[in-house]
Amino acid sequence: GAVVSQHPSWVICKSGTSVKIECRSLDFQATTMFWYRQFPKQSLMLMATSNEGSKATYEQGVEKDKFLINHASLTLSTLTVTSAHPEDSSFYICSARGASGGRTDTQYFGPGTRLTVL
Amino acid sequence: KNQVEQSPQSLIILEGKNCTLQCNYTVSPFSNLRWYKQDTGRGPVSLTIMTFSENTKSNGRYTATLDADTKQSSLHITASQLSDSASYICVVSDSGTYKYIFGTGTRLKVLA
Repeated sequence: GAVVSQHPSWVICKSGTSVKIECRSLDFQATTMFWYRQFPKQSLMLMATSNEGSKATYEQGVEKDKFLINHASLTLSTLTVTSAHPEDSSFYICSARGASGGRTDTQYFGPGTRLTVL
Repeated sequence: KNQVEQSPQSLIILEGKNCTLQCNYTVSPFSNLRWYKQDTGRGPVSLTIMTFSENTKSNGRYTATLDADTKQSSLHITASQLSDSASYICVVSDSGTYKYIFGTGTRLKVLA
């Protein structure tokens, strides 16, 4: 149980275009979803936290107009990188947290999406 | 400031050998500590989770220890295999915000 999927697993796009990444909780309802960014040989950096039906909370230094997050249902959150530039190339990982199992802080991670902007 | 530091930054060992990875944290209030394995290009996979009252937790060849007094944890890998080559991340959860505080990770390479 507690499986989180991401789509696509990798994407290549041209500079200036927008890219949407989906994060789905397959077998539980995710009241909260998190979006992380990971650069090579570095650990995960939290970008934003989203609760179903409300606006996302962005970490300091993350541009909310550039990284649009939508958490429209309890099983789906999307991250849209708008007007992507080469410096946005990174590994994006989502995680989902629900009320399952009694541990309210457990996050289940997706497999990640590799974004390359040319 | 809540921080999680890991050592060594990277490690190379021969197949079949044991190794121990270290994690020191200053997160408060403390909720729990987790060890994750992350293969290159993949999301993190949970290995162990320990709460304040737990000293040790095993998962196959992985054994994690926790000393809540000194705020230190270790992950011991026994009889390493080539498939153990990955990054190992220590994550401490803040019981106030339930946020995950990530360590810097240890990159382990197991050689044949």
